[in-house]
Order: sequence, then C-alpha cells, then structure tokens
Amino acid sequence: EAGVVQSPRYKIIEKKQPVAFWCNPISGHNTLYWYRQNLGQGPELLIRYENEEAVDDSQLPKDRFSAERLKGVDSTLKIQPAELGDSAVYLCASSSAGLEHGIQYFGAGTRLSVL
Amino acid sequence: KNEVEQSPQNLTAQEGEFITINCSYSVGISALHWLQQHPGGGIVSLFMLSSGKKKHGRLIATINIQEKHSSLHITASHPRDSAVYICAVIGNEKLTFGTGTRLTIIP
Repeated sequence: EAGVVQSPRYKIIEKKQPVAFWCNPISGHNTLYWYRQNLGQGPELLIRYENEEAVDDSQLPKDRFSAERLKGVDSTLKIQPAELGDSAVYLCASSSAGLEHGIQYFGAGTRLSVL
Repeated sequence: KNEVEQSPQNLTAQEGEFITINCSYSVGISALHWLQQHPGGGIVSLFMLSSGKKKHGRLIATINIQEKHSSLHITASHPRDSAVYICAVIGNEKLTFGTGTRLTIIP
C-alpha cells in the first residue's frame, strides 16, 4: 500500500510568489496534518483535519497561508505571498484514529526555498 | 523553556553500544510519540505510548507519567540507526515536538 504522498519534493520560488503543496494521505485515514519543519527544529503543526473539517488551525498564519481538504481525502496547503522566512520543509501526515490514538504516518515532505 | 526537552542534542557512539535518549515534558499528556528522521528523509513513527514500556526489535521506549519523562533505548546500535530521534507529546489536543536528538553510530 502506498504511504503518504506529497508533491512536489522540492520547490524554489522568489519571494512574493505564490506556492502550493499537495498531499495524498493513506487510503482510509481520516486525520490529516500539515507541519512545517525549520532546519534543526522539530516539526510544528500548522493545521489538523478530521475528514474535511479543520479542527485545529490555531498555528496557521492565516494572513498568507491557507489549506483545504475537499472531500476529506487529498489536501493542499498554499502560501500567498511567500516570504523569505517561509523556507522550510512542509510535512504532511495522516492517521486512522485521530490525534489521541493514532500513529501518524509522514510523507517525505516538500522542501521550499524562498529566494 | 520549551514544553518538550530532549537530551542529549547530539550523541555519537561506537557500533554495538547501548544508546539512551531522554525526553522530558512540562505539560499533562495523554500519549507520547517517538519518531525517527533520516537525513533528507521522511519521518517514521517508532512508538506511541501512554504508560509503561514498549519494545520493537532493538528499540525500547519507556515512559514515567508521574515524572513526566520518557526514554528511548537502542540495544546493539548499528550505523543504520544514525538519524534524528524526535519526541512528541499529545496534550490539550495538541501535538508538541521536541527539537530532536541527532544520533551518529560509528562503525
């Protein structure tokens, strides 16, 4: 069975440009997470979905970041406009049993470089 | 002070040594994850535990809820164990990550 699939793996853009990341979770996993990981740091949660509902977006910078999970399967994370400080690895994870009980399975991440 | 502290930050050991990585947290939690991240690679969940001890192969994870402390042990360490090991806690419906311990096993 395929794991969590993310694309693209790498993205280089100039500041002020928009960028979007895509995540396809493991089939049947209702919970989907987007994380940002800066170099040398642990991941930081941006948003958590239960099916198509965003149940925790308290750490998502809503002035420039947006996310959607239409139909409760695939998800996209968008940044518009990107800033230099957005350079990081963006990780998607999914689980079958929610935050409290489910092992999370991570994708390989998208490494964003903003120039 | 971070809610989740890991020690040591970096650890280098010889192949075959017994490895211990520690995680301390300051909030009430319902569960704790240990994760492994290889350079340039994705993150793999090793354990999720809320009490006691779990074992998988050469890896052992323990947690003491009263002391707010967890340890990850690796027996008979091997160069392929070289990675960053991350502790993450679930509390107040939030998942908070430590900054990781970079482990290097020398052949």
